[in-house]
Amino acid sequence: EAGVTQFPSHSVIEKGQTVTLRCDPISGHDNLYWYRRVMGKEIKFLLHFVKESKQDESGMPNNRFLAERTGGTYSTLKVQPAELEDSGVYFCASSLVSGPGNTIYFGEGSWLTVV
Amino acid sequence: GENVEQHPSTLSVQEGDSAVIKCTYSDSASNYFPWYKQELGKRPQLIIDIRSNVGEKKDQRIAVTLNKTAKHFSLHITETQPEDSAVYFCAASRAQFYFGTGTSLTVIP
Repeated sequence: EAGVTQFPSHSVIEKGQTVTLRCDPISGHDNLYWYRRVMGKEIKFLLHFVKESKQDESGMPNNRFLAERTGGTYSTLKVQPAELEDSGVYFCASSLVSGPGNTIYFGEGSWLTVV
Repeated sequence: GENVEQHPSTLSVQEGDSAVIKCTYSDSASNYFPWYKQELGKRPQLIIDIRSNVGEKKDQRIAVTLNKTAKHFSLHITETQPEDSAVYFCAASRAQFYFGTGTSLTVIP
């Protein structure tokens, strides 16, 4: 069974440019999550999709971040325009069910460096 | 919202010794506490978890304890091996997951 896959694995862009990260969850997982880890900090929740709907987007930092999950399959996270503080590792995760006690499976992360 | 604190941020132990990582949480409604291990260049993977109705759980060399009253939980690794070297994250969950800042564990052969 394929795990959560993310693309690109690494991206270096200039401040002001746009980057789009993609996540393919485990097949059959309705729940998809985006997280971000800035160096030395916690893995911070950004948002949660259930199928194509945004269940919780309370962690999105500002309106420069746009997440979509068309058709309830893969998801994209776009950062436009990118700022220096957006640098970090963006993790996608998925789970079969949501709620307490569910296991979430992570992708390997997309490393974003904004210069 | 939930706030999870994790200590220490780095930990070095000799092979064969024990390692302990501690986390505290703020939301008394959190009821699920997983631990993830992230090896260099790999994805975080669940290694053990505990629910709020349980005080301790063991899986071979790994154990987790939970003190609901004090709102803290700990990961214990006994007889450490070099392959235990990784970054470990604790998390507390009621609906969403809130992670700690990670502990970089180095096991010295």
